[in-house]
Amino acid sequence: DTGVSQNPRHKITKRGQNVTFRCDPISEHNRLYWYRQTLGQGPEFLTYFQNEAQLEKSRLLSDRFSAERPKGSFSTLEIQRTEQGDSAMYLCASSPRQGAVYEQYFGPGTRLTVT
Amino acid sequence: AQKVTQAQTEISVVEKEDVTLDCVYETRDTTYYLFWYKQPPSGELVFLIRRNSFDEQNEISGRYSWNFQKSTSSFNFTITASQVVDSAVYFCALSERKQGAQKLVFGQGTRLTINP
Repeated sequence: DTGVSQNPRHKITKRGQNVTFRCDPISEHNRLYWYRQTLGQGPEFLTYFQNEAQLEKSRLLSDRFSAERPKGSFSTLEIQRTEQGDSAMYLCASSPRQGAVYEQYFGPGTRLTVT
Repeated sequence: AQKVTQAQTEISVVEKEDVTLDCVYETRDTTYYLFWYKQPPSGELVFLIRRNSFDEQNEISGRYSWNFQKSTSSFNFTITASQVVDSAVYFCALSERKQGAQKLVFGQGTRLTINP
């Protein structure tokens, strides 16, 4: 039984560069979420997919951020022209089914450091 | 708007002591869900419990227990006979039951340190 996986686990990049993160949810889960967590804070919602459809985006998700889930399986989160304020842990979570609220299962996260 | 407040930023106790982590929430919905997650030093959030707004029964799981009180909008978490392995950051979260994203709104977390 594999959980949610995320790659890479760590990313160091220079300001202005583009980065892309990948999330592989639990295989039977059709809902996928991205959150961002900064030091000493709780995770904050970024965006949500149901299958391949991106149904909600937070105002935190500026136009430099884009997320995709092309085949309703894995998802990618891209940040263009990174800024130092983008440094954070990016968490992916998945949950099963529709029509009810189920707990979300989180991956280990990708820690981004922008220098 | 939804909001979760965990007023205790850090708690430190000696092993075997009981400890309660407080969680107060705000929501306008009558149907909502509350969660507790544990984030150990490794960083991965671990699901502990989910409770819906219609079920006010307290729950016990081993050394863990949860007290849900709608009258005070609180969902507190107690660890009995704490152990060093319980050291982690604990997050309370809220989700409303509605169409679209059932996103979790997290509190700021309580860092719990259990000293041997």
